[in-house]
Amino acid sequence: AQKITQTQPGMFVQEKEAVTLDCTYDTSDPSYGLFWYKQPSSGEMIFLIYQGSYDQQNATEGRYSLNFQKARKSANLVISASQLGDSAMYFCAMRERGSGGSNYKLTFGKGTLLTVNP
Amino acid sequence: DTGVSQDPRHKITKRGQNVTFRCDPISEHNRLYWYRQTLGQGPEFLTYFQNEAQLEKSRLLSDRFSAERPKGSFSTLEIQRTEQGDSAMYLCASSPTRGVGGNQPQHFGDGTRLSIL
Repeated sequence: AQKITQTQPGMFVQEKEAVTLDCTYDTSDPSYGLFWYKQPSSGEMIFLIYQGSYDQQNATEGRYSLNFQKARKSANLVISASQLGDSAMYFCAMRERGSGGSNYKLTFGKGTLLTVNP
Repeated sequence: DTGVSQDPRHKITKRGQNVTFRCDPISEHNRLYWYRQTLGQGPEFLTYFQNEAQLEKSRLLSDRFSAERPKGSFSTLEIQRTEQGDSAMYLCASSPTRGVGGNQPQHFGDGTRLSIL
């Protein structure tokens, strides 16, 4: 079963508008973390935002916010005031504590390709 | 603050040859990870080091793959007897140990793109 599901292969948004990228996850571990990364066409993975499973408030980082709905196991990324430079692949990832409490690997979804139109 | 550095950026080789990639993490980071990313997919975990100790290996890491981090600084990933299916982007990431419960993000390098002819 997929641990991270990103159901939108591609999304389009007009410049200066907001866009929401969906992410649902599956875990039985009570302690986990959710990350969003941006991958432009040049290939580097850029960290955007983090949400811990015990965090009471939704994470925000500048124009990025994470809509965390724990009961629904969703962690959607909201980008406000889209810019042309936001055009990229966006990946949702989960870190589970794993066995022994020392596992920090990330499990990634398949990504959503965001295109910002002028 | 220099980021994660990977070398080479691109590698083209014939099937059956051995290849080795290098990763230099951010200097104060003692956790180092290797991932593989194929076209149209997200990165998949390969292996993880804390200092020089290799603490986990994915089932994706067949016997032909070996990774080392001899002094807890840089790491190498070697693929022996390369096959067509090894063509992918190999990403290295690092993270510090400070912080609570692994909430420190992993910082990625630009990757090494491997093409098998």
